[in-house]
Amino acid sequence: KAGVTQTPRYLIKTRGQQVTLSCSPISGHRSVSWYQQTPGQGLQFLFEYFSETQRNKGNFPGRFSGRQFSNSRSEMNVSTLELGDSALYLCASNRGGGGTEAFFGQGTRLTVV
Amino acid sequence: AQSVTQLDSQVPVFEEAPVELRCNYSSSVSVYLFWYVQYPNQGLQLLLKYLSGSTLVKGINGFEAEFNKSQTSFHLRKPSVHISDTAEYFCAVSDGNNDMRFGAGTRLTVKP
Repeated sequence: KAGVTQTPRYLIKTRGQQVTLSCSPISGHRSVSWYQQTPGQGLQFLFEYFSETQRNKGNFPGRFSGRQFSNSRSEMNVSTLELGDSALYLCASNRGGGGTEAFFGQGTRLTVV
Repeated sequence: AQSVTQLDSQVPVFEEAPVELRCNYSSSVSVYLFWYVQYPNQGLQLLLKYLSGSTLVKGINGFEAEFNKSQTSFHLRKPSVHISDTAEYFCAVSDGNNDMRFGAGTRLTVKP
């Protein structure tokens, strides 16, 4: 069974640009969550999608958005990039019920210069 | 929303010594609790989870954690650590709506 796949693994962008990250969940998983990981901040929750609907949302500005497709694949978009957006972005998938284990991808390392 | 506090950002320990990584949570509803481990340049991997029942939970690699509802804690322990346990450890809390929140992480460094 394939794991959670995130693409690309590494990305370098310039301030002001926008970026789209992709996440393919484990087959059968309907929930996809996104997290931003930076040194000292741990994993900060961005949002969760379940059956193409945003179900939970963290405390990030509107520049951060996402969507989920009918095959459960998800994308997140960051517009007007800032230097502070440099981080490891992690995607996790699970079946969607409370208490279910989240399976993580290896992340996309975004560097904004 | 629920939240998690990991009380130690770094824990250095000698090989074969016991270790405890502390985690406290806050939530207004019943919660599910998790510990994940992250090795360098990798994603997170589940160590153990508490859903209900026995408050002592055993996980992989010899780790265990105890759920204490009155103290809202879920501390992770291992009686004897190995060099290979050097990693970042994250405590997480989830509600019934699949909203999972993580702590800031504890970097465990095992020294020979």
